[in-house]
Amino acid sequence: EADIYQTPRYLVIGTGKKITLECSQTMGHDKMYWYQQDPGMELHLIHYSYGVNSTEKGDLSSESTVSRIRTEHFPLTLESARPSHTSQYLCASSLRIEGQGEKLFFGSGTQLSVL
Amino acid sequence: GESVGLHLPTLSVQEGDNSIINCAYSNSASDYFIWYKQESGKGPQFIIDIRSNMDKRQGQRVTVLLNKTVKHLSLQIAATQPGDSAVYFCAENGGSQGNLIFGKGTKLSVKP
Repeated sequence: EADIYQTPRYLVIGTGKKITLECSQTMGHDKMYWYQQDPGMELHLIHYSYGVNSTEKGDLSSESTVSRIRTEHFPLTLESARPSHTSQYLCASSLRIEGQGEKLFFGSGTQLSVL
Repeated sequence: GESVGLHLPTLSVQEGDNSIINCAYSNSASDYFIWYKQESGKGPQFIIDIRSNMDKRQGQRVTVLLNKTVKHLSLQIAATQPGDSAVYFCAENGGSQGNLIFGKGTKLSVKP
């Protein structure tokens, strides 16, 4: 079973506020990801990391930033939240299985609402 | 562009029947495919995966079929139960740097 945790579970904030979404995993996975998902829609990759001090932009442009100072921790920050940032944010980490592929494990997500 | 898509946005089945959820992909370079289940208010949960060197893989009550000729992937759920109600996503590793691309999802509803 995956052990990946996201906080907060829900967040309602006003426009212009700075926020940080937390994500931690206890599996020792090197690779971590942030996806954005609108209700019932597909997941879009916004950031990922290969390991400590590695951060990469995903396929969907995002105004958020990420950091990876420790293997287990991959926080996402919005410097100035706007209503267009309202969405669900999903964190994941992956285990690469030799001869197979990257198997992603997801957290429960943070539902962000910006008023 | 390259993308993964699903044929039906919703599927309703009777409890006990078999369910088949379909997915089409367009990146012929993809060689790894995964099905995820996402229940309301939760993150996606891994169901089953398959490599491109296989055309069928079975799990507990689930089977994934891969047809590389027509770039088609399907998930079969045997004896569907109310707990199977969720949105199902297929994904392929055809994104940049081998990252997963997710399809739009099919919402499965199970009628008692």
